[in-house]
Amino acid sequence: AQSVTQPDIHITVSEGASLELRCNYSYGATPYLFWYVQSPGQGLQLLLKYFSGDTLVQGIKGFEAEFKRSQSSFNLRKPSVHWSDAAEYFCAVYGGATNKLIFGTGTLLAVQP
Amino acid sequence: NAGVTQTPKFQVLKTGQSMTLQCAQDMNHEYMSWYRQDPGMGLRLIHYSVGAGITDQGEVPNGYNVSRSTTEDFPLRLLSAAPSQTSVYFCASRRGNNYGYTFGSGTRLTVV
Repeated sequence: AQSVTQPDIHITVSEGASLELRCNYSYGATPYLFWYVQSPGQGLQLLLKYFSGDTLVQGIKGFEAEFKRSQSSFNLRKPSVHWSDAAEYFCAVYGGATNKLIFGTGTLLAVQP
Repeated sequence: NAGVTQTPKFQVLKTGQSMTLQCAQDMNHEYMSWYRQDPGMGLRLIHYSVGAGITDQGEVPNGYNVSRSTTEDFPLRLLSAAPSQTSVYFCASRRGNNYGYTFGSGTRLTVV
């Protein structure tokens, strides 16, 4: 069965520092992978997605993610974090045969001045 | 504005009451889903639909019913509310050839 693991429940970084949020997935075939962001009290916004091709994908708000099949990972990165990036981030995997988008438990990002 | 619209935004129910959470999209998306979000558990799939007249169960379907009589609407029914159904509920939709779901703004439900 497909599943997603986000090992870090809570991360705090300083404004201007780099960021990497970890995501590991389990899926038998080539996965479709996503990162979503949720600001407090809001719905989810799609940051980026990977279907195939170049394993480094660019998203909105300066985020990027790298798909590594050998490590079953799809980590999210940003070179320099802004205070407005404080939010909860969710990794998700879509299994085409199941028609289901399955989410990880999320990583809550705090940004300190 | 185009998108996924959920109503109501907030609701308080007494145990045993029933209600329907509404979800409508105006993007002609075939696929629609309902998720619940609980602290520390991420989003869990309740039910989903791949088109009008077709629905299926997700990870946590017990206590919920859905129907899809039109492409636009995908209501979620709570048959007999329980405190364990206190949660934030999100509806999402996508086109058949685009796997990035669009989410509604959510319904915060409290069952007392």
